Amino acid sequence: AQSVTQLDSQVPVFEEAPVELRCNYSSSVSVYLFWYVQYPNQGLQLLLKYLSGSTLVESINGFEAEFNKSQTSFHLRKPSVHISDTAEYFCAVTQGRNTDKLIFGTGTRLQVFP
Amino acid sequence: NAGVTQTPKFQVLKTGQSMTLQCAQDMNHNSMYWYRQDPGMGLRLIYYSASEGTTDKGEVPNGYNVSRLNKREFSLRLESAAPSQTSVYFCASKVVQLTDTQYFGPGTRLTVL
Repeated sequence: AQSVTQLDSQVPVFEEAPVELRCNYSSSVSVYLFWYVQYPNQGLQLLLKYLSGSTLVESINGFEAEFNKSQTSFHLRKPSVHISDTAEYFCAVTQGRNTDKLIFGTGTRLQVFP
Repeated sequence: NAGVTQTPKFQVLKTGQSMTLQCAQDMNHNSMYWYRQDPGMGLRLIYYSASEGTTDKGEVPNGYNVSRLNKREFSLRLESAAPSQTSVYFCASKVVQLTDTQYFGPGTRLTVL
């Protein structure tokens, strides 16, 4: 069965520091990969996604993620975080290439301190 | 566009009571989904509807029923609520293409005493 592992449940970091949120998945078939962000008391919002093509994908607010097939990883990075990036981040993987069934990781809470 | 809306935002039930969570989307999406979010477990799919008139079980369907009332609305019913159903429930929707993104509502926080 497919699974998604987010190894870090919490990541504390100071403002303007770089951050990496790790995501590993297990699958024997090709998949699509997503990062969602959840701000306090809100629903999930898509941050970025990998479907095909370039393995490096970027969001409009400075986050990027790189799909690494050999390591089955899709880590999320930002070179300089802001207080407003404080949120919970979820990695998700499709079952095969069907986006009807997303498998979510357990989430990483990013806490940015001034 | 309001996107995906959910009602109510909060609800407290006693064990054995029933209730229906409502979800509506105004993006003309074909597919709709119900998830539950529990601490330390991420989101898990309860039921989904790939198109109007069809529904399918997800990972954790037991104790729930759904109705795809029309293209816009997808409701989740708890017939006899149990404390194990205390959770935050999210509705989501997407267009029919397989590569499209799911868009989420703001959630319903349900407590079963």
